Amino acid sequence: GQSLEQPSEVTAVEGAIVQINCTYQTSGFYGLSWYQQHDGGAPTFLSYNALDGLEETGRFSSFLSRSDSYGYLLLQELQMKDSASYFCAMNRDDKIIFGKGTRLHILP
Amino acid sequence: EADIYQTPRYLVIGTGKKITLECSQTMGHDKMYWYQQDPGMELHLIHYSYGVNSTEKGDLSSESTVSRIRTEHFPLTLESARPSHTSQYLCASSEGGTGDTEAFFGQGTRLTVV
Repeated sequence: GQSLEQPSEVTAVEGAIVQINCTYQTSGFYGLSWYQQHDGGAPTFLSYNALDGLEETGRFSSFLSRSDSYGYLLLQELQMKDSASYFCAMNRDDKIIFGKGTRLHILP
Repeated sequence: EADIYQTPRYLVIGTGKKITLECSQTMGHDKMYWYQQDPGMELHLIHYSYGVNSTEKGDLSSESTVSRIRTEHFPLTLESARPSHTSQYLCASSEGGTGDTEAFFGQGTRLTVV
């Protein structure tokens, strides 16, 4: 079955903050990553959490709670260019696998 | 900037033709992957490789085959293309450390079989 679950769509307003959640199931867990993919483009790596807590990279932050098998990507000061799909990813059996992706719609 | 290249970017081909999608990386990465993705949909792993002469099938069954004769090269071949093969094919590579999750993607090949 699917090892990573995330919402299919999220809508937010330009300038606001949005959180994209990801829950996972795995027997051997090394960490959770996030990728961004614009329409017609390739996925690009955003962040990685191996330990519990918050990792901040500019307007983007990512959080992990290993005890809850849960993580999220937080996007602040949303810009129209942030409209994209966001995927959480993990390493399972030495392969990188992805969630189904969350489509982020940003309203002006 | 990632140094992983896919050719062609777009391909329209007739049913029954044999095709090879090329993927090359100059980062010396041991691990390479092929993902299949329909527009707006999830990434399905169809093949991966741990290194030269190592290839494995991914989670999604695919009629394609791959080879890894050189570290930098991981081509994907369809012996007889069908309309159901129409999709985007994304190649990726990673360093291959334990539990690594940072993959570098090529720009993809958008395949249309008519």
